[in-house]
Amino acid sequence: DAGVTQSPTHLIKTRGQQVTLRCSPKSGHDTVSWYQQALGQGPQFIFQYYEEEERQRGNFPDRFSGHQFPNYSSELNVNALLLGDSALYLCASRAAADTQYFGPGTRLTVL
Amino acid sequence: GENVEQHPSTLSVQEGDSAVIKCTYSDSASNYFPWYKQELGKGPQLIIDIRSNVGEKKDQRIAVTLNKTAKHFSLHITETQPEDSAVYFCAASIGYSSASKIIFGSGTRLSIRP
Repeated sequence: DAGVTQSPTHLIKTRGQQVTLRCSPKSGHDTVSWYQQALGQGPQFIFQYYEEEERQRGNFPDRFSGHQFPNYSSELNVNALLLGDSALYLCASRAAADTQYFGPGTRLTVL
Repeated sequence: GENVEQHPSTLSVQEGDSAVIKCTYSDSASNYFPWYKQELGKGPQLIIDIRSNVGEKKDQRIAVTLNKTAKHFSLHITETQPEDSAVYFCAASIGYSSASKIIFGSGTRLSIRP
């Protein structure tokens, strides 16, 4: 059983560009959350998707948007990239009261 | 909103000794407290969790305690081994349903000296 998978592993973009990150949840999981982890800090909650709708949102600007597909996979989109968006982006999945499992993350570097 | 504070930020212990990491949370409605271990280049991995109806939980060398009155919870690792070296995060959540979100502490870098 594959766990949470994310793609790509690494990504380099320039300021002002747009980026899309992808996540496939663990089998049987229907809820996906996205986190931003800056170097040396704890993960910061961006938003959570369940039944293809955004259910919770952290303190992130509208430049951060997402989508969940009928197969429960999810995308995170970031527009108008800033240098400060450089971070490890983590996807986590869960099912109802089940434990939340994290993927390995996508390392985004904005130059 | 919920805030989680974690101490210390770095911790170095002799192999075989115990390590303790402490966290406090702000929202008294929080009722689920997971702990994660993150190794270099990997995502956080759940190592133990506790719910608010329990004061203590143990899994082999790892234990977690919860004081709801003081809004404190702690991770205890006994008989530390080199493979315990990693960054540890505490977290808190209100509820553990699909609608809940998890707020993390800032992390503790644990180093085990041989």
